[in-house]
Amino acid sequence: DAGVTQSPTHLIKTRGQHVTLRCSPISGHKSVSWYQQVLGQGPQFIFQYYEKEERGRGNFPDRFSARQFPNYSSELNVNALLLGDSALYLCASSPGTVSSNQPQHFGDGTRLSIL
Amino acid sequence: KNQVEQSPQSLIILEGKNCTLQCNYTVSPFSNLRWYKQDTGRGPVSLTIMTFSENTKSNGRYTATLDADTKQSSLHITASQLSDSASYICVVKYSGAGSYQLTFGKGTKLSVIP
Repeated sequence: DAGVTQSPTHLIKTRGQHVTLRCSPISGHKSVSWYQQVLGQGPQFIFQYYEKEERGRGNFPDRFSARQFPNYSSELNVNALLLGDSALYLCASSPGTVSSNQPQHFGDGTRLSIL
Repeated sequence: KNQVEQSPQSLIILEGKNCTLQCNYTVSPFSNLRWYKQDTGRGPVSLTIMTFSENTKSNGRYTATLDADTKQSSLHITASQLSDSASYICVVKYSGAGSYQLTFGKGTKLSVIP
């Protein structure tokens, strides 16, 4: 079975641009979460979606937004990119919400570099 | 402020030896604690999930312990292998007022050498 897939794997943007990152969860998983991991740090929670509704939000500015589609895939959008947005963006899926005790399955991330 | 502190920051051990990684948290109200293994350039992989009532949980050569009273957890790796070289991340979930948050530690970078 395919794991969590993210695209693109690498991306280079300049300040002020907009970016869209994509995630396909494991088949049958209804929950998708997004994380930002700056080099040398642990991941930071951005959003969780379950059944196409936002179920959790971390401490990120409104420039960050996301949505989940009827097939449970998800997009993370970041507007007005800043140099500090350079990071590995991870997507994780699970059968239920994070409020359950089910493990999350992570993709290998999108490496975003801002010039 | 909800925080997760891990120690040591990095660790080098010989193949076949045991090691213990530490995680202290100030997250409240606590819901569960997770340990993940993250290989370089890859996404994290879940090792264990422990709730408030669980003291110990094992996954092969990995054993996690939790003391909810002192807000401490440890991950013990037995008979280390070269493939154990990775970052190990402690994650604490808390929930309250109808929402939840996951707080990640910065990880312990483990290097296993021949």
